[in-house]
Amino acid sequence: EAQVTQNPRYLITVTGKKLTVTCSQNMNHEYMSWYRQDPGLGLRQIYYSMNVEVTDKGDVPEGYKVSRKEKRNFPLILESPSPNQTSLYFCASSFRGQGRPSPSQASGRAAYEQYFGPGTRLTVT
Amino acid sequence: GENVEQHPSTLSVQEGDSAVIKCTYSDSASNYFPWYKQELGKRPQLIIDIRSNVGEKKDQRIAVTLNKTAKHFSLHITETQPEDSAVYFCAASLRTRNTDKLIFGTGTRLQVFP
Repeated sequence: EAQVTQNPRYLITVTGKKLTVTCSQNMNHEYMSWYRQDPGLGLRQIYYSMNVEVTDKGDVPEGYKVSRKEKRNFPLILESPSPNQTSLYFCASSFRGQGRPSPSQASGRAAYEQYFGPGTRLTVT
Repeated sequence: GENVEQHPSTLSVQEGDSAVIKCTYSDSASNYFPWYKQELGKRPQLIIDIRSNVGEKKDQRIAVTLNKTAKHFSLHITETQPEDSAVYFCAASLRTRNTDKLIFGTGTRLQVFP
């Protein structure tokens, strides 16, 4: 089954204790992204990756790190979590980047549709 | 950077009525505009999208219109049903030579009353 998985789904931690949220997709997607969702603020992009070893900052990258060593995995790392990072986090993937033309195996909507993971609810106390 | 504004933040309609959600974006370089629907407690899912070389796109009861000159795009849902109740997010893709960001609006909570 084609899917995006995230682990853990729920996490309560304390300020300053390093944590990693894993994200994995089995669809051979090039583009992967992390978002955080907060009430009234919608979905805000943290980091994204256009392919292996290619990552870039989104709108709210401060306090987060990512890596893309393999195509299928895109972990989100919080080196020193703080309470303002309490949020619902979503990982997402798509065949192509959101703005790129698509001469690849998928075209049209299929190329750009982002598949979201189930979300990780993080609480930092 | 790119900014996407979405209105209204909440919208209540009677079943069978139409619903319209509007978004504006700031960067004229944006060229891809998806709409995502998020039901309560679930993940966002793409419902329709439009590229900047198209002015309108329709898929059954939903349609999206794009006005590049005014930099705004809208989601139209006709003959609304209770299962349309959800939060809807618009987004705009900011693409430069070195970046490929997706900027979301703040969401519209749509409630359809039977």
